[in-house]
Amino acid sequence: EDQVTQSPEALRLQEGESSSLNCSYTVSGLRGLFWYRQDPGKGPEFLFTLYSAGEEKEKERLKATLTKKESFLHITAPKPEDSATYLCAVAVNSGYSTLTFGKGTMLLVSP
Amino acid sequence: SAVISQKPSRDICQRGTSLTIQCQVDSQVTMMFWYRQQPGQSLTLIATANQGSEATYESGFVIDKFPISRPNLTFSTLTVSNMSPEDSSIYLCSVVDGTYEQYFGPGTRLTVT
Repeated sequence: EDQVTQSPEALRLQEGESSSLNCSYTVSGLRGLFWYRQDPGKGPEFLFTLYSAGEEKEKERLKATLTKKESFLHITAPKPEDSATYLCAVAVNSGYSTLTFGKGTMLLVSP
Repeated sequence: SAVISQKPSRDICQRGTSLTIQCQVDSQVTMMFWYRQQPGQSLTLIATANQGSEATYESGFVIDKFPISRPNLTFSTLTVSNMSPEDSSIYLCSVVDGTYEQYFGPGTRLTVT
């Protein structure tokens, strides 16, 4: 069974304090790993797709990396507006483009 | 990326009634999905809705409880039937674009009393 585990469940940072979120996965055949941001009461907002080990993608203060077992979302010098829940999801080779989600990491950045 | 809207954005319903949620996309897409997000939980896929064929349901979800329509390539509906308080969730539709990236609508927050 495909599994996605995110850690930590919650993370509190001071503004400017860099850190990383982890997403480990156990799947039969990874087609892609996705990162989303979700604000309270809203749908997930697409951030990145990573397709193969060694791949990296960046967007503003966020950088996503991928290995054969896990992905990291690095947040550099975060600001309060980066506060949100960050979701990781995987798509596998079999069947449709369905996603299996982790439970998310709730990030709070204090000024 | 596709722009997705959902109606209603939220609703409070009585136990035993049904609610139909609409999902509209601003471009034609082949694959649409319906997810449920229960309070404090992550997203769980309910079904895949393809135009011109029956929806494909995930384990634990059945057509009698969650009937889905997909009349064209820009629109879909999900009905939550014979509701109970356990159906209180956020319901989200999503679409896949040509690069397999999946985009979500704003969600419908359902409360069943």
